[in-house]
Amino acid sequence: DADVTQTPRNRITKTGKRIMLECSQTKGHDRMYWYRQDPGLGLRLIYYSFDVKDINKGEISDGYSVSRQAQAKFSLSLESAIPNQTALYFCATAPGQGIRADTQYFGPGTRLTVL
Amino acid sequence: GQNIDQPTEMTATEGAIVQINCTYQTSGFNGLFWYQQHAGEAPTFLSYNVLDGLEEKGRFSSFLSRSKGYSYLLLKELQMKDSASYLCAVRDLTTDSWGKLQFGAGTQVVVTP
Repeated sequence: DADVTQTPRNRITKTGKRIMLECSQTKGHDRMYWYRQDPGLGLRLIYYSFDVKDINKGEISDGYSVSRQAQAKFSLSLESAIPNQTALYFCATAPGQGIRADTQYFGPGTRLTVL
Repeated sequence: GQNIDQPTEMTATEGAIVQINCTYQTSGFNGLFWYQQHAGEAPTFLSYNVLDGLEEKGRFSSFLSRSKGYSYLLLKELQMKDSASYLCAVRDLTTDSWGKLQFGAGTQVVVTP
């Protein structure tokens, strides 16, 4: 079984719709992250969380919100989707402790298309 | 702030060696990661260097020079399955960057028969 899972894997929606992307992990990691990836731009951080009560904005948080429901779950919402939010979205986790504290492990990604 | 540079694309022949360079500028450097990402798939962890020198792991090796702000990933005995994007990522311990990684845009490696 995969350690980091994302649902849905693919989603096509229309402008103005509310969308939620979900991430779950069984790695027992404290830290969780949401990225988007666009061709030629690499990975850009949207939001991150170091524990259940901690939520931080990344470099491109406008138009997005998150919820850390439990240590294992971190959801990303697009309140009113727009076409330039079409991208590949990745969730990642990191231990937060030890020699590999910041080593990030990625989920399989969600391909989101906003028409 | 951080600035990470790596070439956009490299092409090499099956069985050959390719070296992917990464340069960075960061005020609180504390380690450099390499990830492999096949098209449409998740990045997967390859290596982590925090001290100067070469770390070897099978066909892949990673080198770091902290004084030069430079790293490379060396792929030996290239196989077709090595065709992927390779991402360099920096760990920075300054307050604003703590707990996060800054990723380069990635180097697309194309392996030809």
